[in-house]
Amino acid sequence: QSVLTQPPSASGTPGQRVTISCSGSSSNIGSNSVYWFQQLPGTAPKLLIYRTNQRPSGVPDRFSGSKSGSSASLAISGLRSEDEADYFCAAWSDSLNGPEVFGGGTKLTVL
Amino acid sequence: QVQLVQSGAEVKKPGSSVKVSCKASGGTFNSYTITWVRQAPGQGLEWVGRIIPVLARSNYAQKFQGRVKITADKSTSTAYMELSSLRSEDTAVYYCRDGFEYWGQGTLVTVSS
Repeated sequence: QSVLTQPPSASGTPGQRVTISCSGSSSNIGSNSVYWFQQLPGTAPKLLIYRTNQRPSGVPDRFSGSKSGSSASLAISGLRSEDEADYFCAAWSDSLNGPEVFGGGTKLTVL
Repeated sequence: QVQLVQSGAEVKKPGSSVKVSCKASGGTFNSYTITWVRQAPGQGLEWVGRIIPVLARSNYAQKFQGRVKITADKSTSTAYMELSSLRSEDTAVYYCRDGFEYWGQGTLVTVSS
């Protein structure tokens, strides 16, 4: 049972815009930065978004992050076949669960 | 460019311990924060704990308190995660990470009788 809640799946066709939600609470997303990771099968996660809406160098601007209250979203525009992957959100937490909590992940399928 | 290289896969018996290493290069070890995250088969990510080598200070998820120990050897730029009293539910890929951007390749730990 993950602390942050994500939909288990999402889908879109090439060129479409899709969003993936991540719901938390005032003790994590509501008061801390959000991070998004992309994970391809059999590989380590890759950082897509840090500090809620910042992209590391090399990450296309098709990926964007936002937050409102205790929920965050990852948007992917101009969907491409290579975007098919698992996406995880994470946030710092002030609870006894530890400084970092994760969502359960969203499997994105490009139709 | 920071690179993290982890030790190889392990198969352990229930009740035993495992120690996974994470060797860093390409940066200044004293500036690292090494976090350990695990992922059970087909599951999401789970934070295990972290260490700030320059301070030799570590903290752990409450779930693993008393069973996990994270250490760092500054002389070899290597961090370690030792998990004891292993049970089948500890079967997972264990990743080390510096900051949020740099990840090791992962180490599969299988706990089976």
